Order: sequence, then C-alpha cells, then structure tokens
Amino acid sequence: NAGVTQTPKFRVLKTGQSMTLLCAQDMNHEYMYWYRQDPGMGLRLIHYSVGEGTTAKGEVPDGYNVSRLKKQNFLLGLESAAPSQTSVYFCASSYPGGAYEQYFGPGTRLTVT
Amino acid sequence: KNQVEQSPQSLIILEGKNCTLQCNYTVSPFSNLRWYKQDTGRGPVSLTIMTFSENTKSNGRYTATLDADTKQSSLHITASQLSDSASYICVPGGSQGNLIFGKGTKLSVKP
Repeated sequence: NAGVTQTPKFRVLKTGQSMTLLCAQDMNHEYMYWYRQDPGMGLRLIHYSVGEGTTAKGEVPDGYNVSRLKKQNFLLGLESAAPSQTSVYFCASSYPGGAYEQYFGPGTRLTVT
Repeated sequence: KNQVEQSPQSLIILEGKNCTLQCNYTVSPFSNLRWYKQDTGRGPVSLTIMTFSENTKSNGRYTATLDADTKQSSLHITASQLSDSASYICVPGGSQGNLIFGKGTKLSVKP
C-alpha cells in the first residue's frame, strides 16, 4: 500500500516549457487535490476532483490544467511555465465528506528559470 | 476574508517539555478544523480532525482543542521528543475543497 505517490520528485523547467505532474493513489479515494506551497505561505488549492472525469477550480487555478481520466490518477499540467510557478506541489486524496482526512504525497519541487 | 493566524511562528523547546501552539481563524463556511504535522521536505500528515461540535481530540501525545465560538484552536504536545521537530499547520474549513491552510508554527525540539 503505497498511499499517494508523485512523479517526478524534482524538475527544472525553462520559461515557456510545458510539463505534466502525475499523482497516483491506491486507497480507492474519490477525491483528489493539487496544492502548491510557497515560502511564508500556507498551502493553496490549485484544482481538485470529486470523481473520475470531473475537475474543479481551487483558489489559484490560473496557468494550470488538470485531468482525472482514471480514479487513481490525477494529472497537473503546466502548458507554458512561468517563474511564478516555481513552488513545491503536493497532491492529496480523500474520501468524500467534510471530515475525512486528506492524505498527502511527498511533493514535487519545481523550479522555473 | 478567510484568515488563519498561528502563533508563535517558531518555537524552541527542550526534549521532554510540553508546549502549546495557537490558532485563530476567521473562515466561512466552517465545519471542521484539522492539525497537520509537516516534516521538512515531506508532505503534511494529519494529526487530528475536529468537527465544529467537538471541543477536544487526542492522538497520542498530541491534544487539540477547539472553541468554535471564539474561533480559536490549540495543539498541545506532551513530553516532546526530537522527532516532534516539524511545522504544525492549523487548517479550518468547510468542505474538502474549502480548506484554509495556516502558515504553520515551526517547532524545534533540542536534546
């Protein structure tokens, strides 16, 4: 039982390049989330999904796209990376319902130069 | 505007001592409050989740309290260990897509 895994762990991009971050969970959770964590700030929600084939915007969605083609996977795409997207990205998953725990992955450290 | 304020920003204590971390929040809608522990370079790990009607919840040496009327929560750590060195994040919120993460309190436990 691996929990929540993220690929890659580290990545350096040049401005304008694109990439996809992959999140996978093996807990059969309905809900999945993408957050970013910047120095001196709390985690902020980028996009989330309440089920296969569904996605919704979070607090800071601009510049990102997501897809949930399979229940266990949640992809985060950057079409044209900008230095402002330099951050640590965390994926999480949970059961539905307000009081269920969110399980986080180990994070992806992305630097855009 | 949703806000979460945690205090202190950082704290250094000696191994074996107790400490209490504070969280004040203004979040709407509000139905639950979580405390997470985040080790350096790792993802957050849930310590406790309290619904608005709960006043206290424990998880081993960690005890969280919640006063929904005054919009305050605290996390008490008993008999601290070196492995407690981490950031502790207060997270009030409503639905799963509406959690507001605080900036965290960085705790250092020294031998």
